[in-house]
Amino acid sequence: AQTVTQSQPEMSVQEAETVTLSCTYDTSESDYYLFWYKQPPSRQMILVIRQEAYKQQNATENRFSVNFQKAAKSFSLKISDSQLGDAAMYFCAFYQTGANNLFFGTGTRLTVIP
Amino acid sequence: NAGVTQTPKFQVLKTGQSMTLQCAQDMNHEYMSWYRQDPGMGLRLIHYSVGAGITDQGEVPNGYNVSRSTTEDFPLRLLSAAPSQTSVYFCASSREQGPGANVLTFGAGSRLTVL
Repeated sequence: AQTVTQSQPEMSVQEAETVTLSCTYDTSESDYYLFWYKQPPSRQMILVIRQEAYKQQNATENRFSVNFQKAAKSFSLKISDSQLGDAAMYFCAFYQTGANNLFFGTGTRLTVIP
Repeated sequence: NAGVTQTPKFQVLKTGQSMTLQCAQDMNHEYMSWYRQDPGMGLRLIHYSVGAGITDQGEVPNGYNVSRSTTEDFPLRLLSAAPSQTSVYFCASSREQGPGANVLTFGAGSRLTVL
């Protein structure tokens, strides 16, 4: 089974600064997708960003960008100009094309300091 | 559109009781799934369905039952609740089979406590 590892249980960042959350995954497949989901205190799971493995270009969504290193099986999330509303649990997730399961990491709790 | 609606949001059960968590979506999504979220373990797939009348087991199916009689509804049944089933449960759906290219839409979650 695929595994997704988030080695940082907790991170903190000053408001307006930049923070990077780490994620590594293990797979022998070449066709897959990677995701970052945000879970604020409301508990709602919100998609932040998605990366297709066949795309070399790193995905970007406004202040959120990823550093996708396919050979190293690394998928980190960079949050620029951090805002108070970015405080949440962040989950990295892996999906192998053709499967029916989305594998999640254990999450990183991000605190934004005013 | 309401998206994915889960009920109830909170529930307390006694060991051995049964109950059903309801999930409904109004997006005409073929794929629906149930996850449980436990502290320090992320989300794990319980059961999923790729269309009406079709269900299959995920990573942690024991103690749970599902059915999919319509495209819109995908209830999760706890047959005889155990304290190990204390968790937050999420229903999620996507347009086609598999949550890959078609991103999952999650419900707001249901917190279940089994005493």
